[in-house]
Amino acid sequence: AQSVAQPEDQVNVAEGNPLTVKCTYSVSGNPYLFWYVQYPNRGLQFLLKYITGDNLVKGSYGFEAEFNKSQTSFHLKKPSALVSDSALYFCATLPNDYKLSFGAGTTVTVRA
Amino acid sequence: DAGVTQSPTHLIKTRGQHVTLRCSPISGHKSVSWYQQVLGQGPQFIFQYYEKEERGRGNFPDRFSARQFPNYSSELNVNALLLGDSALYLCASSLNMDYGYTFGSGTRLTVV
Repeated sequence: AQSVAQPEDQVNVAEGNPLTVKCTYSVSGNPYLFWYVQYPNRGLQFLLKYITGDNLVKGSYGFEAEFNKSQTSFHLKKPSALVSDSALYFCATLPNDYKLSFGAGTTVTVRA
Repeated sequence: DAGVTQSPTHLIKTRGQHVTLRCSPISGHKSVSWYQQVLGQGPQFIFQYYEKEERGRGNFPDRFSARQFPNYSSELNVNALLLGDSALYLCASSLNMDYGYTFGSGTRLTVV
């Protein structure tokens, strides 16, 4: 089955420090990979996607992600975290052309 | 432009009752998908409709059904509600996969 995994339930960082949220994938062929963020009691907000092209993908709110085929990873990164980045982050893949398959999510807490 | 809109935002139902959730996609989007997000988990795919036809169905019982109307809005129906149906129900619309999915803020269903 084509899927993604988020190995960390929680990530805690200090404001101003780099933030990394990890995602690994198990997908045959060329993967479609996504990152979404969810704030409390809200829906999912799209951050960025990788379909093809450059391995470094830039997205919303200063986030970026690096597609690494050899390590089957698609980690989300932000050079300098803000308290407002505290939220639940989901990695997802598209195993077919209609269904998103999500990881379990990683809760990010950025302390002031 | 309006995003994906869902109604109602919150709903409390009793076991055994029926519920109808509604979703209006972004103008021009012909694809609508439904996801269930149980607290502490990633969203799980329920249905996708495209041009009023069901394109895919997740691993949910027949108590769950959906339809898409000529204006591309959609309804999700759940019969014989169980306590385990308590969740955030998310609707997403898409132009095509190169653009990804845009999610609504969801309907919080509580079954008591």
